[in-house]
Amino acid sequence: SAVISQKPSRDICQRGTSLTIQCQVDSQVTMMFWYRQQPGQSLTLIATANQGSEATYESGFVIDKFPISRPNLTFSTLTVSNMSPEDSSIYLCSVPITDTQYFGPGTRLTVL
Amino acid sequence: QQQVKQSPQSLIVQKGGISIINCAYENTAFDYFPWYQQFPGKGPALLIAIRPDVSEKKEGRFTISFNKSAKQFSLHIMDSQPGDSATYFCAAQGTYKYIFGTGTRLKVLA
Repeated sequence: SAVISQKPSRDICQRGTSLTIQCQVDSQVTMMFWYRQQPGQSLTLIATANQGSEATYESGFVIDKFPISRPNLTFSTLTVSNMSPEDSSIYLCSVPITDTQYFGPGTRLTVL
Repeated sequence: QQQVKQSPQSLIVQKGGISIINCAYENTAFDYFPWYQQFPGKGPALLIAIRPDVSEKKEGRFTISFNKSAKQFSLHIMDSQPGDSATYFCAAQGTYKYIFGTGTRLKVLA
């Protein structure tokens, strides 16, 4: 398994600003995922982040809005840029260990 | 083809009863089917998972039944407890990505 931490756990931000979310894993992993979970909804994959290469974004998500960094095998950041109230969601990172994905506790973002 | 349909959306069960949540998929390339449990304010946690070469898997009070020909799988929670009250997500994996179901909010009454 993997132990994953995220910072911040929650934040309230103003429209038009940006927030960077950090994800730290207790072991080295090649692949990390970033998900968005809108209130009362399921999980939607934003992008896959591999160390040493650019993140791969899913349909409907773009790098300008959700830039991702993956500087090493235990850490990644997701930035939510130029935020609007529609970005209010829980943002989760996860890592796959064999076929199982292990999730962080999430970052609850509220945009006013 | 990439959807996973989950039902019901919400479920209320008496303590000691059986909770049943169903999922259906279309893509026969999916080869791993996990169930996740999520409590409010927490990330999803793996509950139990199955591969399509097995028709049933049991871990404690939790059982997955898998029907490959019907492309359906279900989670059964036996002797449901108030502590089981959470949101449950099924998922299907193809390549390395998960496709999640829409979630079922379970409430177990004491």
